[in-house]
Amino acid sequence: AQSVTQLGSHVSVSEGALVLLRCNYSSSVPPYLFWYVQYPNQGLQLLLKYTSAATLVKGINGFEAEFKKSETSFHLTKPSAHMSDAAEYFCAVSGSGATNKLIFGTGTLLAVQP
Amino acid sequence: GAVVSQHPSRVICKSGTSVKIECRSLDFQATTMFWYRQFPKQSLMLMATSNEGSKATYEQGVEKDKFLINHASLTLSTLTVTSAHPEDSSFYICSARDRTYAGSPLHFGNGTRLTVT
Repeated sequence: AQSVTQLGSHVSVSEGALVLLRCNYSSSVPPYLFWYVQYPNQGLQLLLKYTSAATLVKGINGFEAEFKKSETSFHLTKPSAHMSDAAEYFCAVSGSGATNKLIFGTGTLLAVQP
Repeated sequence: GAVVSQHPSRVICKSGTSVKIECRSLDFQATTMFWYRQFPKQSLMLMATSNEGSKATYEQGVEKDKFLINHASLTLSTLTVTSAHPEDSSFYICSARDRTYAGSPLHFGNGTRLTVT
């Protein structure tokens, strides 16, 4: 079984400040981990993914995440927040293989204050 | 990049009618597609896994006779909400994974906002 826990349903940062969105996973098999972003009334856009290669993963829009097996974590960070980063962020886990379903966390709504 | 097209983006229907939502992978083939439902300010809940050429696999608690899924080709899956009721109003999102390489992420459609009056 697999699951994801996102700590903090709402996170607020100032423009230019560090963004840190937390994600912890549970998986009985080696996990693939993903971060997606969702803007209002839209689908999901992939920010980055971890698929058992490098533990530090760089994604789009300046985001990155580090896979830490010892902590079962995959936190998302960005050094400097932009107003355009305000959105809902979802961490997700799956096994390998095309038929493995993706299990989502509950999401974190990021607000960026001017 | 891989694109998943979902249609329609919005639909309003009356109680008792049926609504079909299409999900197409435009530049890749997908043996498996996934249908999610999202309530306001909540996460995505997996409804079912759509398998090309075979029956869909439904998650616990999802009525298969109400949410009919057909995956007729490697690029098209459809979700039909039958005899819709107001409680079926929600945001439905499909996703697909490129079957040709391991580690392919899920690509999502832009969702369908269903409102049942």
